[in-house]
Amino acid sequence: LAKTTQPISMDSYEGQEVNITCSHNNIATNDYITWYQQFPSQGPRFIIQGYKTKVTNEVASLFIPADRKSSTLSLPRVSLSDTAVYYCLVGTGEYGNKLVFGAGTILRVKS
Amino acid sequence: DADVTQTPRNRITKTGKRIMLECSQTKGHDRMYWYRQDPGLGLRLIYYSFDVKDINKGEISDGYSVSRQAQAKFSLSLESAIPNQTALYFCATGAPVGAGNEQFFGPGTRLTVL
Repeated sequence: LAKTTQPISMDSYEGQEVNITCSHNNIATNDYITWYQQFPSQGPRFIIQGYKTKVTNEVASLFIPADRKSSTLSLPRVSLSDTAVYYCLVGTGEYGNKLVFGAGTILRVKS
Repeated sequence: DADVTQTPRNRITKTGKRIMLECSQTKGHDRMYWYRQDPGLGLRLIYYSFDVKDINKGEISDGYSVSRQAQAKFSLSLESAIPNQTALYFCATGAPVGAGNEQFFGPGTRLTVL
């Protein structure tokens, strides 16, 4: 499974757009890119998933360049409640959804 | 009601004791997983099961065992608990292959081994 690299932490203020970039240089052809969010003492929660170009849902956007060696999670107008750890994962369902979690990015949103 | 439930939510035990953590799900998924999380770290896979008759070791299975009693139930056992098994344990279910990598996590069990 492809290894990912993310910033350890990021700080932002309420109302700002936050972009978290993940590097995955060894991504395989069949791999999808998935982001999870985790609040303290809770299980991770699926945010968004993509394969290429751009994906948008009600909470976030995911930008994937043509070479797919990186991806950027974009959170529009963050609030205090977006303070959490964000994990970037790369893998394919063909391997039985075996997710490999790195340390993630701690996002702190300040007022 | 929650789709993935775990019992107990908190447990304190002593070294050498046998402990069972239970997980139940109502999502109807065949795939189930057990992870542990240590402070400041990501989740590590302990065991996973693709259906009732399928059990697979994950990254850190030593010292643990599992039982898949039914599609909806997946239990994790620590045969003889030791202090470095103190951690937050998560159970998860997985969407079917072809439906992406989304997993659905339970609320976690905080285990302390003294």
